[in-house]
Amino acid sequence: SQQGEEDPQALSIQEGENATMNCSYKTSINNLQWYRQNSGRGLVHLILIRSNEREKHSGRLRVTLDTSKKSSSLLITASRAADTASYFCATVASSNTGKLIFGQGTTLQVKP
Amino acid sequence: ETGVTQTPRHLVMGMTNKKSLKCEQHLGHNAMYWYKQSAKKPLELMFVYNFKEQTENNSVPSRFSPECPNSSHLFLHLHTLQPEDSALYLCASSHNPAVGAEAFFGQGTRLTVV
Repeated sequence: SQQGEEDPQALSIQEGENATMNCSYKTSINNLQWYRQNSGRGLVHLILIRSNEREKHSGRLRVTLDTSKKSSSLLITASRAADTASYFCATVASSNTGKLIFGQGTTLQVKP
Repeated sequence: ETGVTQTPRHLVMGMTNKKSLKCEQHLGHNAMYWYKQSAKKPLELMFVYNFKEQTENNSVPSRFSPECPNSSHLFLHLHTLQPEDSALYLCASSHNPAVGAEAFFGQGTRLTVV
């Protein structure tokens, strides 16, 4: 079954606002990762949070993980037009750490 | 530049053609992956190689044939494809999948089957 379902599918905000994206998954995980993809290009790793961590920060990014709810959120603060992209969560299952399974992604548009 | 290079960037092929996609990584990673990204669908994991050995085949049709001659190179051989195989094919590598390390992606090959 597919891990990592993102919500919302699309998000449009003004520059300077915060953007929050959510991800839900189904099985026990080793870690959860967030990636960014500009249109038609490869994915770029943003941040990794392990199953024993609850929150992690990297620059303007804040990720939370709630293993009891099997969910994660990605917060981008003070958004910029350059943050416009698709954002994907991906999970590594506890039972099979060789596979990185992606969700459908959230398309973020930041208007200048 | 992520250190993972895919060629070609674009490919148009007929259903009777045979072509190959190439992926090369210079990061010293042990694992390499092929993903397929179709419009409005999640990235689909196709194959995983760890230390040149195939460890995952995600029920991929036999018209897709992977090859991993060494830890730095990964190929995807294509033959008798269907129009629905048109997609962005992404290669990725990671250092140690046993601990769930982050993946580094190439820019992808945009494949169109006509």
